[in-house]
Amino acid sequence: GQQLNQSPQSMFIQEGEDVSMNCTSSSIFNTWLWYKQDPGEGPVLLIALYKAGELTSNGRLTAQFGITRKDSFLNISASIPSDVGIYFCAGPTLAGRDDKIIFGKGTRLHILP
Amino acid sequence: DVKVTQSSRYLVKRTGEKVFLECVQDMDHENMFWYRQDPGLGLRLIYFSYDVKMKEKGDIPEGYSVSREKKERFSLILESASTNQTSMYLCASGTGRNSPLHFGNGTRLTVT
Repeated sequence: GQQLNQSPQSMFIQEGEDVSMNCTSSSIFNTWLWYKQDPGEGPVLLIALYKAGELTSNGRLTAQFGITRKDSFLNISASIPSDVGIYFCAGPTLAGRDDKIIFGKGTRLHILP
Repeated sequence: DVKVTQSSRYLVKRTGEKVFLECVQDMDHENMFWYRQDPGLGLRLIYFSYDVKMKEKGDIPEGYSVSREKKERFSLILESASTNQTSMYLCASGTGRNSPLHFGNGTRLTVT
């Protein structure tokens, strides 16, 4: 079945650094979603992308829908301590009646003091 | 704002007990989902429902069942809890089948 591969699995960065992470699939997606999960909480939607090539920002976050429709990227500029958490990419499978949203395994972001 | 409420943040149950995890959403969403989250495995879909009294198996339904008697409420049932069901359980809801999901804050279940 369709799978989403996120990389890196975890990142350790200094406060103030920029962050890049990506999500790839062997299958085409028509929608890409990026979520963030704070420790002990449920995931919260950050950005939704609906068109190949689309670049969307939400504050210091920027996400792009890859032109091949098989990948997406999330960038965080000038990281701050509250950026700590797990970032998930997600997208709806294209399985007709049985389509549903699937998730990558997440990128865990750590910020060093 | 959409609110998805899970009845318990933390639960501790004994092996063999029947466990109910409750989830309520207040946005009249048709679709509701139950996931479990384990380190290194991400979010895995247990069951989902696209309408009242309707349910579909997800990727790991074994050992679980669900109930959706009302549109706003989706319950996950562990018929006989086992230690390998110790996990974080997340409920989510959404509108269209491909629309973004809104998650509750999760229930951390420990089975001893």
